Amino acid sequence: GAVVSQHPSRVICKSGTSVKIECRSLDFQATTMFWYRQFPKQSLMLMATSNEGSKATYEQGVEKDKFLINHASLTLSTLTVTSAHPEDSSFYICSAHGLSGNQPQHFGDGTRLSIL
Amino acid sequence: GQNIDQPTEMTATEGAIVQINCTYQTSGFNGLFWYQQHAGEAPTFLSYNVLDGLEEKGRFSSFLSRSKGYSYLLLKELQMKDSASYLCASMDSNYQLIWGAGTKLIIKP
Repeated sequence: GAVVSQHPSRVICKSGTSVKIECRSLDFQATTMFWYRQFPKQSLMLMATSNEGSKATYEQGVEKDKFLINHASLTLSTLTVTSAHPEDSSFYICSAHGLSGNQPQHFGDGTRLSIL
Repeated sequence: GQNIDQPTEMTATEGAIVQINCTYQTSGFNGLFWYQQHAGEAPTFLSYNVLDGLEEKGRFSSFLSRSKGYSYLLLKELQMKDSASYLCASMDSNYQLIWGAGTKLIIKP
């Protein structure tokens, strides 16, 4: 089945550091990738929708200058958390679906980000 | 507005059957998805319904009634490993998923 690879799986770093998370679709072309954040015991919260070759669409309340998204190819999207602070500590998950809109989203394994 | 409702938590016994309900209201409709999420892990896809009726896949079945804005996930022969959160999501007219808060399913021996 379709596979989405997300890297790294875990990051622990100091406050003020910028962290880049990669999301790759391994066996299909992902025209759209989604970035979610999930706090403990809460549901997924969509941060932004990323379309290949165009600017990401951010959800209300998500700072686009803090969470930089790049979707340079049909198989790779990156999320960079700039100048991360402890309140940015969370579980970040990417997902992707292929060329046909009503296909299931396939999720990466997630990145657990801990800012000290 | 857009809204997905599902119970917060359910408890069932190993070997039994449990039904998790989901009601939805979204702008347009392009299908209803169910995902399973174990604690600390990413969600995994379980089922997709776009037409009314029951879709069976092994121990798991999913039902959809578009006229009622209603779906359920049916889990048979429950196993301890089925303890997880089950997320209902409706795809709207923009092909974006609107997520429910998830139902935490606790399986007891």
